[in-house]
Amino acid sequence: DTGVSQDPRHKITKRGQNVTFRCDPISEHNRLYWYRQTLGQGPEFLTYFQNEAQLEKSRLLSDRFSAERPKGSFSTLEIQRTEQGDSAMYLCASSRGLAGGTLEQYFGPGTRLTVT
Amino acid sequence: GEDVEQSLFLSVREGDSSVINCTYTDSSSTYLYWYKQEPGAGLQLLTYIFSNMDMKQDQRLTVLLNKKDKHLSLRIADTQTGDSAIYFCAESYNGGSQGNLIFGKGTKLSVKP
Repeated sequence: DTGVSQDPRHKITKRGQNVTFRCDPISEHNRLYWYRQTLGQGPEFLTYFQNEAQLEKSRLLSDRFSAERPKGSFSTLEIQRTEQGDSAMYLCASSRGLAGGTLEQYFGPGTRLTVT
Repeated sequence: GEDVEQSLFLSVREGDSSVINCTYTDSSSTYLYWYKQEPGAGLQLLTYIFSNMDMKQDQRLTVLLNKKDKHLSLRIADTQTGDSAIYFCAESYNGGSQGNLIFGKGTKLSVKP
């Protein structure tokens, strides 16, 4: 078990460009979460998947953001028409989904996005 | 709404105990967590406590939960320089059925040799 991995670790992009991040969860985990962390703040929940189904989206997730988990394994998070306010660390976490919950969430190293 | 509050800084000497405090608002929280984040890294799960427990001990870590006051603390015994990091308290939203976590802003622990 190699833990949660994320790619890329760093991304610098110009405002208006699209970016896509990938997350590979721990293999036996069926839940996958995306969080965003800005400087000096704790992570904020964006969305989560149970297998391939996207079950909840935060109001932070504007319509420029889309997340997928097509086969219930890895997930991608795409940001279209990036804005400077999108600059943040994007964290992925995974957990087992147990009835009545939880749900120890294990985090990846994050993707740091800088929008210039 | 749900909110998690932590003091922002704590400084201790190596070998002393550190106590990091947290208050939360969601009385339906089922689990409360402590995560550690080192510079430029993701979050490492340290420990968690179920809301029907008062205390949990795991090696140098002791978690105390006062559910009446909605107060959570993390005690690190014999603090080492390697413990210097930001520590986040988090509660599970919707009583744990959804699992997404609400985090505090983090407490930066500095350990002086």
